[in-house]
Amino acid sequence: EPEVTQTPSHQVTQMGQEVILRCVPISNHLYFYWYRQILGQKVEFLVSFYNNEISEKSEIFDDQFSVERPDGSNFTLKIRSTKLEDSAMYFCASSDRPVQRDTQYFGPGTRLTVL
Amino acid sequence: AQSVAQPEDQVNVAEGNPLTVKCTYSVSGNPYLFWYVQYPNRGLQFLLKYITGDNLVKGSYGFEAEFNKSQTSFHLKKPSALVSDSALYFCAVSDLEGTYKYIFGTGTRLKVLA
Repeated sequence: EPEVTQTPSHQVTQMGQEVILRCVPISNHLYFYWYRQILGQKVEFLVSFYNNEISEKSEIFDDQFSVERPDGSNFTLKIRSTKLEDSAMYFCASSDRPVQRDTQYFGPGTRLTVL
Repeated sequence: AQSVAQPEDQVNVAEGNPLTVKCTYSVSGNPYLFWYVQYPNRGLQFLLKYITGDNLVKGSYGFEAEFNKSQTSFHLKKPSALVSDSALYFCAVSDLEGTYKYIFGTGTRLKVLA
């Protein structure tokens, strides 16, 4: 069964460093998302992406964040200058239809630790 | 704004007993509701969804959920719990005001005791 994959599973970085989290969505999917979960808190939406552009972003997704689909398979989240409060589990998701009710398929997550 | 609430941080149930994991929602309009499960070191796995139609929705691994419009609830149920059902369960609603994103509850940890 096709699944979303994410690398690395755990990333440790120093405050102020840039990190890139990588995702490979399900191959025929067209809509891509990033969510995050700070330990003990809700899973929160960060950004959605379709047709090589951002469809929607939350207030969390400020200028320090960017997303890219550099080729036909990868979808990346970049944090330019990490802060302590960026420590969280980051989930990538994808779906294959443009309607809100469609099912999103999630990857296993990347745990980001900012020291 | 849409929201969901999962009032229980943890639910304990004996193996073989029925289980219920609670979820209530607040939406304007018709809700699109989802349940996901997270096992250790795994992603969020889709269990089931309610879009329209029958209030009782059947999903993966023997789970079902009952949509109750008057109580604005979408509780997850299973007639007979297994130890392997122990995991973190998330309820989510699709945001009808935005574009495609999910709004999640805080999650409920289910522990099935042998």
